[in-house]
Amino acid sequence: NAGVTQTPKFQVLKTGQSMTLQCAQDMNHEYMSWYRQDPGMGLRLIHYSVGAGITDQGEVPNGYNVSRSTTEDFPLRLLSAAPSQTSVYFCASSYLTGTGIYEQYFGPGTRLTVT
Amino acid sequence: ELKVEQNPLFLSMQEEKNYTIYCNYSTTSDRLYWYRQDPGKSLESLFVLLSNGAVKQEGRLMASLDTKARLSTLHITAAVHDLSATYFCAVDRGSRLTFGEGTQLTVNP
Repeated sequence: NAGVTQTPKFQVLKTGQSMTLQCAQDMNHEYMSWYRQDPGMGLRLIHYSVGAGITDQGEVPNGYNVSRSTTEDFPLRLLSAAPSQTSVYFCASSYLTGTGIYEQYFGPGTRLTVT
Repeated sequence: ELKVEQNPLFLSMQEEKNYTIYCNYSTTSDRLYWYRQDPGKSLESLFVLLSNGAVKQEGRLMASLDTKARLSTLHITAAVHDLSATYFCAVDRGSRLTFGEGTQLTVNP
């Protein structure tokens, strides 16, 4: 299994440009999430999905769109990039175990700089 | 709104000494996660604490959970350089995690 993969690893955008961060998992996990990590703020939830065709907003959704047409893929779209979106983005997938915990798997991250 | 707070945010440790990181959270939860992150890397799962009084240990790290106090601690015994990293606690709401700010640990000789 490749686990959770994210592309690209690094990206530089100009203000106003749009782009899609890709996330894929090959573990057939129902749940997927996008987080952003900024210094001193931990990771914050952007959007999440509880299954194909179902998405919802997290803590910091403004400026981002998601869709989940398949179980495997959960792309994150930046509609019009702003310098405030400079961050490291992590995708995660998870499943509910028999002991009632959500076993989380994190991707390697995408480092995005908006100039 | 669920809030998760860690302290300290920065910890400079001497080798062979013991230290504790605290994680407080604002709403009822029975599941508390600890992660480690090395610079430029993703998150590595350390512990999942499932219930009040849960204690887990791995090497020099021991984590505990007090759900009544809404407090988890990560205790480091006899710090070594290999433990230098940033440590996060997190609480889940279903499949989503709410993270603390992170504690950056540096172990000095």
